[in-house]
Amino acid sequence: KAGVTQTPRYLIKTRGQQVTLSCSPISGHRSVSWYQQTPGQGLQFLFEYFSETQRNKGNFPGRFSGRQFSNSRSEMNVSTLELGDSALYLCASSKGQGNEKLFFGSGTQLSVL
Amino acid sequence: AQSVSQHNHHVILSEAASLELGCNYSYGGTVNLFWYVQYPGQHLQLLLKYFSGDPLVKGIKGFEAEFIKSKFSFNLRKPSVQWSDTAEYFCAVNAQNNDMRFGAGTRLTVKP
Repeated sequence: KAGVTQTPRYLIKTRGQQVTLSCSPISGHRSVSWYQQTPGQGLQFLFEYFSETQRNKGNFPGRFSGRQFSNSRSEMNVSTLELGDSALYLCASSKGQGNEKLFFGSGTQLSVL
Repeated sequence: AQSVSQHNHHVILSEAASLELGCNYSYGGTVNLFWYVQYPGQHLQLLLKYFSGDPLVKGIKGFEAEFIKSKFSFNLRKPSVQWSDTAEYFCAVNAQNNDMRFGAGTRLTVKP
């Protein structure tokens, strides 16, 4: 069974640009969650999608958005990039029933110059 | 929303020493509690979890954690650490709505 796949693995962007990250969950998983990981801050919750609907949302500005497709694949978009957006963005999937473990991808390392 | 505090940012131990990593959460309702581990260069993976029942839960690689409801704590323990336990450890709380919140993480370095 393939794991959670995130693409691309690395990205370098400049301030003001936008970026789209992709996540393919484990087959059969309908929930996809996104996290931002930075040293000292741990994992900050961005949002969670279940069956194409955003079910939970963290405390990030509106520049951070996402969506989920009918095949459960998810994309995350960050517009008007800032230097502080440099981080590892992790995607995690689960069946979405609320009390189960998350399966994480390797992440996309975003560097904003 | 629930929040999670991990008090130790970086812990350095010698092999065979005992380990205890603190985790406190703030949420008044029923919670599910997790510890995840991230070994160097690897994905985050589940170490152990607590949903209900015996508050002392055992996970992989000899780790265990105790849920103390009155203290809103879920501390991770291991009696004797090994060099291979060097990793970053994250405590997480899920308030049964699939909104999983993580602590800032504790980096453990075990000296051989």
